Amino acid sequence: AQSVTQLDSHVSVSEGTPVLLRCNYSSSYSPSLFWYVQHPNKGLQLLLKYTSAATLVKGINGFEAEFKKSETSFHLTKPSAHMSDAAEYFCVVSSFNFNKFYFGSGTKLNVKP
Amino acid sequence: SAVISQKPSRDICQRGTSLTIQCQVDSQVTMMFWYRQQPGQSLTLIATANQGSEATYESGFVIDKFPISRPNLTFSTLTVSNMSPEDSSIYLCSVVAGVDEQFFGPGTRLTVL
Repeated sequence: AQSVTQLDSHVSVSEGTPVLLRCNYSSSYSPSLFWYVQHPNKGLQLLLKYTSAATLVKGINGFEAEFKKSETSFHLTKPSAHMSDAAEYFCVVSSFNFNKFYFGSGTKLNVKP
Repeated sequence: SAVISQKPSRDICQRGTSLTIQCQVDSQVTMMFWYRQQPGQSLTLIATANQGSEATYESGFVIDKFPISRPNLTFSTLTVSNMSPEDSSIYLCSVVAGVDEQFFGPGTRLTVL
C-alpha cells in the first residue's frame, strides 16, 4: 500500500530564509509523487511532480523537491521564503496506475516578516 | 490540463436535509474523484466516480450517505444525504487529465446547522 507522512504539521520561517517541508513515502513500487499548495480559501494547485525522470524536480514559484529513494523522501524546498508562500502544503503519492492519490496530513507554512 | 467548476460554491443547510453538489469538467476524463476536507484536516477520498457503473467507495463511506452519479465523461454529482453537523466540510471534485496529473475543483464549502 502507498502512504505519505508529512513530518511537520506547522513550519514557521522568516521572509527571505530557506523553506524545508519534509515528506516521507511508503510504496511497494517506484512511486509518482506530488506537492500541492492550498492558500486560505483557495483551491489546490500543483507545485511540482516526480514521475521517475530527473530526481531533482523544479516547480512553480521557485520551489524544488528531490526524490531520494534510499531515504524514501521527497522534501520540498525553496531558497528564500516570500510572504505569499504562507499556505498549506500537501505531499501526495499516487497508486501504480494513477487511479488513487494518497494525501499526507499537510504542513502549514507561516512566513514572518 | 482540465478546468473544473463546482456548484454550489458554498451552502448552509439544516440537519436532516440533503445537498447535491455538481462537478463539471471542460474536457472528457476517465477518472473523477470526490474528496472531503474537514476543517483543519487533509483531504480524504470519498469515492471514485465511474462512468456507466456504480461509484467505488472508500472505507468508511457508503452509497446511502453519499450517492454519486456519473452520467458522462464530463459531469458528476455527489449528494450528501441526511446531513448532520459532522458533515460540515469542503467537498472537492478532482480529475486525472493527461497521464498522471490530478486537477481539483474549487470546492463546495458546506455548513450544516
